[in-house]
Amino acid sequence: QSVLTQPPSASGTPGQWVTISCSGSNSNIGSHTVNWYQQLPGTAPKLLIYNNSQRPSGVPDRFSGSKSGTSASLAISGLQSEDEADYYCAAWDDSLNAYVFGTGTEVTVL
Amino acid sequence: QVQLQESGPGLVKPSETLSLTCAVSGYSISSGFYWGWIRQPPGKGLEWIGSFYHLGNTYYNPSLKSRVTMSVDTSKNQFSLKLNSVTAADTAVYYCARPYTSADKARFDIWGQGTLVTVSS
Repeated sequence: QSVLTQPPSASGTPGQWVTISCSGSNSNIGSHTVNWYQQLPGTAPKLLIYNNSQRPSGVPDRFSGSKSGTSASLAISGLQSEDEADYYCAAWDDSLNAYVFGTGTEVTVL
Repeated sequence: QVQLQESGPGLVKPSETLSLTCAVSGYSISSGFYWGWIRQPPGKGLEWIGSFYHLGNTYYNPSLKSRVTMSVDTSKNQFSLKLNSVTAADTAVYYCARPYTSADKARFDIWGQGTLVTVSS
């Protein structure tokens, strides 16, 4: 059972703005930076956002991340069909001394 | 270009030991970085199994710690995962991965393609 909670699903039409929340606690998000992963169907996860809001090279700037207190958010602006995927937040947890993933959010492009 | 490739049996019997290897190309394990394992049961989310440094530091998921061993073979530039006393709940796609920077224990940005391990008699 994950300590980082995400909504199970989110959706939007092409071009829309979609946000995904990630709720944690003081021992994880409240104390450490948040990373986001994108997992396209049948593939390995891809690091999408690190250090709350930084994008690795090659990640489009329509993906953005933010953090406030014990929660974080991933935003996708200008949603595209190729953004249909599962998205996971993740952070280190001091209480567990473990890296924890969120419950995951399936994004559907209508 | 760093690449990772998992290998190992796709079928393991209950109570036996799951053994997987991750072959690394494009980078020498002994040059640094933590190396990790993550798994994903069919249709479910990601679970971090653990991370280790080639000189000995290890971090294991507390829920699996009693059954997990990670090791490295620098001569073959590969690292391994052993999970003992497996049950059907250990059925998953297992990924090996490397973090984004040498300072990270996790925050994985290079992943293997994953290998499905089924626990069944």
